[in-house]
Amino acid sequence: DTGVSQNPRHKITKRGQNVTFRCDPISEHNRLYWYRQTLGQGPEFLTYFQNEAQLEKSRLLSDRFSAERPKGSFSTLEIQRTEQGDSAMYLCASSSTGDTGELFFGEGSRLTVL
Amino acid sequence: RKEVEQDPGPFNVPEGATVAFNCTYSNSASQSFFWYRQDCRKEPKLLMSVYSSGNEDGRFTAQLNRASQYISLLIRDSKLSDSATYLCVVNAGGYNKLIFGAGTRLAVHP
Repeated sequence: DTGVSQNPRHKITKRGQNVTFRCDPISEHNRLYWYRQTLGQGPEFLTYFQNEAQLEKSRLLSDRFSAERPKGSFSTLEIQRTEQGDSAMYLCASSSTGDTGELFFGEGSRLTVL
Repeated sequence: RKEVEQDPGPFNVPEGATVAFNCTYSNSASQSFFWYRQDCRKEPKLLMSVYSSGNEDGRFTAQLNRASQYISLLIRDSKLSDSATYLCVVNAGGYNKLIFGAGTRLAVHP
């Protein structure tokens, strides 16, 4: 399968714990995005990477959130000291250069914070 | 005010019906616009781009009115398989930074 891959698909954790999600984009895509989606809402932009450089980070992303893309390939999103409000689907997407508007999304990592 | 606003629905229509979704956006500098489709418990996927001149893809027609900052999607001859959430999307940056509306849910019944 050459699509965007995310894992774990589901994560249940207790409040205060740290969690990390991984995203493997489509191999030839140099752009990578993280979004968050809650029930009844559309995806909300969190951050964007061009190769290994994190070029934009949403104000939605508190200091507890950090994302990396160390070699310009896979990316990780870490949430420290999770809160119940962090419960959501975390979607990763990738795209090639250009403004086609087509992002290829992974199936997401669903986080539940108890 | 949200950057992209949509009627959340749901729209419940019979097979064969024509249904229209509307969307408004707040940033007049936005350059490109799209409709995405999201099936239940699945990831969003690009349905079609929206051009100022209007564009059609089979049963789907998209329109853009830049003066009113208004986008629409028309689905003709609805099929059961069209049941999904339709997300109105605006490109807010020069690198495919997409801003999504909350989505409009469509349910097509026999």
